[in-house]
Amino acid sequence: GAGVSQSPSNKVTEKGKDVELRCDPISGHTALYWYRQSLGQGLEFLIYFQGNSAPDKSGLPSDRFSAERTGGSVSTLTIQRTQQEDSAVYLCASSRGTEETQYFGPGTRLLVL
Amino acid sequence: AQSVSQHNHHVILSEAASLELGCNYSYGGTVNLFWYVQYPGQHLQLLLKYFSGDPLVKGIKGFEAEFIKSKFSFNLRKPSVQWSDTAEYFCAVKLSWTSGTYKYIFGTGTRLKVLA
Repeated sequence: GAGVSQSPSNKVTEKGKDVELRCDPISGHTALYWYRQSLGQGLEFLIYFQGNSAPDKSGLPSDRFSAERTGGSVSTLTIQRTQQEDSAVYLCASSRGTEETQYFGPGTRLLVL
Repeated sequence: AQSVSQHNHHVILSEAASLELGCNYSYGGTVNLFWYVQYPGQHLQLLLKYFSGDPLVKGIKGFEAEFIKSKFSFNLRKPSVQWSDTAEYFCAVKLSWTSGTYKYIFGTGTRLKVLA
């Protein structure tokens, strides 16, 4: 079956612009996760969804970051007024439940000039 | 602060050598532990996980890991590596709170290169 998909695969934007990253989880997966991987760093856990609800948003790096999930499926991560330090690979994962294995997507490589 | 440390950033081994990658975490509460692998050009995938029970966990492709609670460690092992094990390996910890919320912390990864 289809895995987790993310779009776009690459995004180049100018500092100050807004960007929207999309994640399509595996069908039927109720939990969805967003991570950020900066060069030379491990994965930074940003936010997770159980269904459409995000119980804890404290992992988002700043108030320029927001995420939503609708219909228990697609999720979008929005970064407003992008800064150069936002440049990273943004990974999405989904799982059948919160105790289950996470399946990762290919990531969106974001470059802020 | 909660953290996960992977001591080896780069490891080079010859085929058939034994592998042990270190992982230590700092958190005194309940944890679930994971090792993920990313093969060149592929997505991150789960190698093995520990939730409870036998602290020696066996995963895919002959990998195993041992949870030693007193040492806050979850080292990954494989008795005999193959060229196809060349990849980046990430240790991860899931921290859970009584509120029901949780978070994952990943280590910075270990790049393993196996020479044929």
